[in-house]
Amino acid sequence: EPEVTQTPSHQVTQMGQEVILRCVPISNHLYFYWYRQILGQKVEFLVSFYNNEISEKSEIFDDQFSVERPDGSNFTLKIRSTKLEDSAMYFCASPWASGNNEQFFGPGTRLTVL
Amino acid sequence: KNQVEQSPQSLIILEGKNCTLQCNYTVSPFSNLRWYKQDTGRGPVSLTIMTFSENTKSNGRYTATLDADTKQSSLHITASQLSDSASYICVVSGSYNTDKLIFGTGTRLQVFP
Repeated sequence: EPEVTQTPSHQVTQMGQEVILRCVPISNHLYFYWYRQILGQKVEFLVSFYNNEISEKSEIFDDQFSVERPDGSNFTLKIRSTKLEDSAMYFCASPWASGNNEQFFGPGTRLTVL
Repeated sequence: KNQVEQSPQSLIILEGKNCTLQCNYTVSPFSNLRWYKQDTGRGPVSLTIMTFSENTKSNGRYTATLDADTKQSSLHITASQLSDSASYICVVSGSYNTDKLIFGTGTRLQVFP
């Protein structure tokens, strides 16, 4: 089964600091997605990224956020000047090569902003 | 407003018993509906995906149904096991032209011996 990996598993940061969350999607896939899940709440779409460009983003994905593909395999989600309300699980997802665009989720990074 | 509602919010059953989880959605246009299983602190894992033309789909002990006319779906779990304890999330994709998935709040299932 295809695997999506994320690092770190847990990140603790001070309010106002920048954090970078990393994801290694299914190899050779050009699409990937970032989602957020605040504790006790539903998963929310943040952004989709295709072929080195943002394909779609939600209203949550404001100027505080950015996504990059710094090399051929890793994707990153950068949060500038973190706020307390950014504390959440952040999942990346990568689609499988099926007509229904099934998405495989990584294990998530738990971000805690103090 | 595009929404996905699930019921019940939580459910407790005994090992070996069956259960059915419900999902209602108001997403339009509609492309497909997915059911995911999410263990605590883990990423969601896909169970089934159904397009508007599919009425039912099975994956082992999991059987999902879809009524695109009434915009309802259900997930039936047969012969529950302790490892079925998790949150089950109904997710709707609005269109093939969008990457955005709309998630329900999930049903928290606990299976006791």
